[in-house]
Amino acid sequence: NAGVMQNPRHLVRRRGQEARLRCSPMKGHSHVYWYRQLPEEGLKFMVYLQKENIIDESGMPKERFSAEFPKEGPSILRIQQVVRGDSAAYFCASSPGTAGEGYTFGSGTRLTVV
Amino acid sequence: GDSVTQMEGPVTLSEEAFLTINCTYTATGYPSLFWYVQYPGEGLQLLLKATKADDKGSNKGFEATYRKETTSFHLEKGSVQVSDSAVYFCARWGGNFNKFYFGSGTKLNVKP
Repeated sequence: NAGVMQNPRHLVRRRGQEARLRCSPMKGHSHVYWYRQLPEEGLKFMVYLQKENIIDESGMPKERFSAEFPKEGPSILRIQQVVRGDSAAYFCASSPGTAGEGYTFGSGTRLTVV
Repeated sequence: GDSVTQMEGPVTLSEEAFLTINCTYTATGYPSLFWYVQYPGEGLQLLLKATKADDKGSNKGFEATYRKETTSFHLEKGSVQVSDSAVYFCARWGGNFNKFYFGSGTKLNVKP
């Protein structure tokens, strides 16, 4: 049973380009969460999704960032027109329910904007 | 609001020294509390957890006791090893729509 799979592991984008980060949850997990970790900082919640629904996007920047979790396929975090300040590690986690049990993190995507 | 505060790092210890990393939280009610560990270049791994007051979570020689009187969940280990060098995150579960609130992380360096 593979864990939470994130790809790519490393992503380099030039300023103004788009970044697409993918997350495949663990088998049987229907809840997906995205977190951002800026250098030397802790994880900050961005968005919580279930299949085809955004449940809580209170941590998402108002512009340029979007997320989806379609009925089929991985969850996608999309960052349009990236800027240097978007450079960070983006972690995805999945869980089977809402009680915090079985919450599993992926290894992250490290985005570098040059 | 809901938050988690943990001691700033880095913490540098010699092998076999005693470790304490302080963590306090603010929340409505009694949330579940967790410690996660992040090794270099990797994601977060669950280290231990406690789901109610006075519970003690333990794993790999690490312990933390859920103290509701002091709203704390301090991480301790009696004898650290070089392999324990990592960043440790305290977290609480709950809030609107249920999610994790993480502390800022404490980097631990253990020297031989």
